[in-house]
Amino acid sequence: SQQGEEDPQALSIQEGENATMNCSYKTSINNLQWYRQNSGRGLVHLILIRSNEREKHSGRLRVTLDTSKKSSSLLITASRAADTASYFCATGSYSTLTFGKGTMLLVSP
Amino acid sequence: DGGITQSPKYLFRKEGQNVTLSCEQNLNHDAMYWYRQDPGQGLRLIYYSQIVNDFQKGDIAEGYSVSREKKESFPLTVTSAQKNPTAFYLCASSEMGQRPLGTEAFFGQGTRLTVV
Repeated sequence: SQQGEEDPQALSIQEGENATMNCSYKTSINNLQWYRQNSGRGLVHLILIRSNEREKHSGRLRVTLDTSKKSSSLLITASRAADTASYFCATGSYSTLTFGKGTMLLVSP
Repeated sequence: DGGITQSPKYLFRKEGQNVTLSCEQNLNHDAMYWYRQDPGQGLRLIYYSQIVNDFQKGDIAEGYSVSREKKESFPLTVTSAQKNPTAFYLCASSEMGQRPLGTEAFFGQGTRLTVV
């Protein structure tokens, strides 16, 4: 069963614009993580936010978590062509990580 | 360099054959995971292991088997019972499981399995 669901499924923007992706989930979690995947490659961890945190920053990334709405958002500011990739949210509960289907981000020069 | 290594990168299997995908990590992580990725489906959990000689089924374990005889190794066997094995397989490890606070997972570069 897929816990997280990203929205939108695909996003196309110009370099310099901000990109926002959302994730909704269904059950209680210990943490929520965001990962990035370039085509045909493994996933790379971007940021982890724990269930008692509301917002976290890392470089150009800003993640928010609203446990009452069971949702999270990932904001990438001042996007670059190199940010083109698929982005996945993953919820951590019990012993495993459960992933959503991802958002495909295309950043055009 | 510390990391997680999957091999081979590409694998071709004939109908009715078992194949084994290798996953090795030198991060000294306790937890290891196998995921399957199909186009548009995201990642689905096949098996995971929290400790040597112990592993649990994930959401789609049917037709797969694993072993965890050493901390650094978690091979996945795709058996002939798996009816649709063509997919991208990803192995991951984390320092511990996701309780109580959770830790990030490190992924290998994946193995693309194709049935011919």
